[in-house]
Amino acid sequence: GAVVSQHPSWVICKSGTSVKIECRSLDFQATTMFWYRQFPKQSLMLMATSNEGSKATYEQGVEKDKFLINHASLTLSTLTVTSAHPEDSSFYICSANGRSGRARETQYFGPGTRLLVL
Amino acid sequence: QKEVEQNSGPLSVPEGAIASLNCTYSDRGSQSFFWYRQYSGKSPELIMFIYSNGDKEDGRFTAQLNKASQYVSLLIRDSQPSDSATYLCAVNSRVNTGFQKLVFGTGTRLLVSP
Repeated sequence: GAVVSQHPSWVICKSGTSVKIECRSLDFQATTMFWYRQFPKQSLMLMATSNEGSKATYEQGVEKDKFLINHASLTLSTLTVTSAHPEDSSFYICSANGRSGRARETQYFGPGTRLLVL
Repeated sequence: QKEVEQNSGPLSVPEGAIASLNCTYSDRGSQSFFWYRQYSGKSPELIMFIYSNGDKEDGRFTAQLNKASQYVSLLIRDSQPSDSATYLCAVNSRVNTGFQKLVFGTGTRLLVSP
């Protein structure tokens, strides 16, 4: 139980385009989803926290107009990187937790999405 | 002072030895503590969590918590080369009032040599 998927796993795009990443909880209802970014050989950095049906809470220094987060249902959250630039190239990982079962205990992570902006 | 501190390593141990990974945290109100393993290029996976002082065992892994000293550790018995990874300590402060964000340490890189 507590399986989280992400799509796509890899994305390469041109500078200036927008990229959407999906995060899904497959076997539980994700009341809260988290989006992280990780640069090579660095630690996880929390970007934002989203609760189903409400606006995301962004961490200090994260531009909410650049990283659009939508948590439209209890199983799906999306992160859109708008007007991506090479410095946005990173490993984006979502996680989720829920109200019951194993998912209530902590966050379970998706497999991540590697973004390369040319 | 960082909220969650870990030695970055690498910690090198021979196969079959016990690997000891340590973590200290600054928030005395922290209620729950987690260890995640992250292989290179992959996302973190949960190893175990601990809420109460003392030891908690799960297979070859033992988590130890000492709230008075504000440290949590992870012991890996009979270390295997496949255990080579970065181990992330994470702390959550307020479980009872709803899930709060996890604060992660920077991780300790473990290398187990055959």
